[in-house]
Amino acid sequence: AQKITQTQPGMFVQEKEAVTLDCTYDTSDQSYGLFWYKQPSSGEMIFLIYQGSYDEQNATEGRYSLNFQKARKSANLVISASQLGDSAMYFCAMREGLWSGGSNYKLTFGKGTLLTVNP
Amino acid sequence: DSGVTQTPKHLITATGQRVTLRCSPRSGDLSVYWYQQSLDQGLQFLIQYYNGEERAKGNILERFSAQQFPDLHSELNLSSLELGDSALYFCASSYRTSGPQGQFFGPGTRLTVL
Repeated sequence: AQKITQTQPGMFVQEKEAVTLDCTYDTSDQSYGLFWYKQPSSGEMIFLIYQGSYDEQNATEGRYSLNFQKARKSANLVISASQLGDSAMYFCAMREGLWSGGSNYKLTFGKGTLLTVNP
Repeated sequence: DSGVTQTPKHLITATGQRVTLRCSPRSGDLSVYWYQQSLDQGLQFLIQYYNGEERAKGNILERFSAQQFPDLHSELNLSSLELGDSALYFCASSYRTSGPQGQFFGPGTRLTVL
């Protein structure tokens, strides 16, 4: 089974509107972290936002917020007031486990959602 | 700019050849991760080093190897290259725990095997 599922291969949004990108995850760990990254056409991976499994409040970073629903194992990214520069591929990722002096902190990525912002 | 540097940005080579990709982590970061991004496999974790020691292996082929040096820079060596090794190779770094800051990715090295 996939650990990170992004069901929307592509999404379109009008400039200045809000958009939600879906992400569901699968883990048996109690401690984990969820991340969103943006990959523009230039190729770099840009870290956007992080949510820890024990965080009670939804994470926010400027126009980005993470709608974390632990019981449903979902971690949707909400982008408010979309801008043309938001057009990019967006990846949801998960890190499982607790830090214990060097344990594996690899990220498992979903397949991504290509967001297009229309003027 | 994430603070992670990777060289070269682009690499074109032939099947059967060997190449070395280089990564310098952010200042102070002890962990280095290598990822491969291809159209068919998506983003996949290859290997992690922490303060010079290998910590975890993912879907890394036996033809691939890596190391982290005392100055914490890392190199990914790809040998006996095949057409299917063409991909974007990312290096990422973090201090100890990935915590709220996540892993910071370099700009990537785009490898084309002809």
